[in-house]
Amino acid sequence: GNSVTQMEGPVTLSEEAFLTINCTYTATGYPSLFWYVQYPGEGLQLLLKATKADDKGSNKGFEATYRKETTSFHLEKGSVQVSDSAVYFCALHSGDYGGSQGNLIFGKGTKLSVKP
Amino acid sequence: DAMVIQNPRYQVTQFGKPVTLSCSQTLNHNVMYWYQQKSSQAPKLLFHYYDKDFNNEADTPDNFQSRRPNTSFCFLDIRSPGLGDAAMYLCATSRVLGGMQPQHFGDGTRLSIL
Repeated sequence: GNSVTQMEGPVTLSEEAFLTINCTYTATGYPSLFWYVQYPGEGLQLLLKATKADDKGSNKGFEATYRKETTSFHLEKGSVQVSDSAVYFCALHSGDYGGSQGNLIFGKGTKLSVKP
Repeated sequence: DAMVIQNPRYQVTQFGKPVTLSCSQTLNHNVMYWYQQKSSQAPKLLFHYYDKDFNNEADTPDNFQSRRPNTSFCFLDIRSPGLGDAAMYLCATSRVLGGMQPQHFGDGTRLSIL
């Protein structure tokens, strides 16, 4: 079945450090891929998305490239800020091919803490 | 701003006492979802509505039900909450089903069971 695996946290970085959060997926068909961010006490917000191979999603300095050959969608940011401290969820949607059309499959989340 | 609103942000109920959580949206989206998120875990889909069509996930307990009286509102009813139902409940919407449509989440209702 479809699944998402992302790196275990927590990740602790100093301000202005480079961030990578790894995400790999298993899916049939042609999934869409997403990164969601959850700040403390809040719901999830869409950070970026990519809907086909080689697409690059970007937002707020974060980037992720849909790599079909390695089934990956790693999240990167060149210089993190304290305000980036949150939990980051990688997710896939299998689209219209099989399974439940409503299902967004989430990874377990990676908690990022950025220290001044 | 168009948004997804959940009320209340925090809800406390007693063991076994029915509770209803509410969600409203101003996005005019066709699909509304309810997720359960326990501490340090990923959100788990309970069910969704596509317009008036209800879709229950296979492993959603019978204790959990939902109503969608109109496009804007959706309710989560927990008939007899147990201690294991304490969690954050997230409502989300999307314009239509399908992988290209991102889901828009509310801020959640944190449910505590006494």
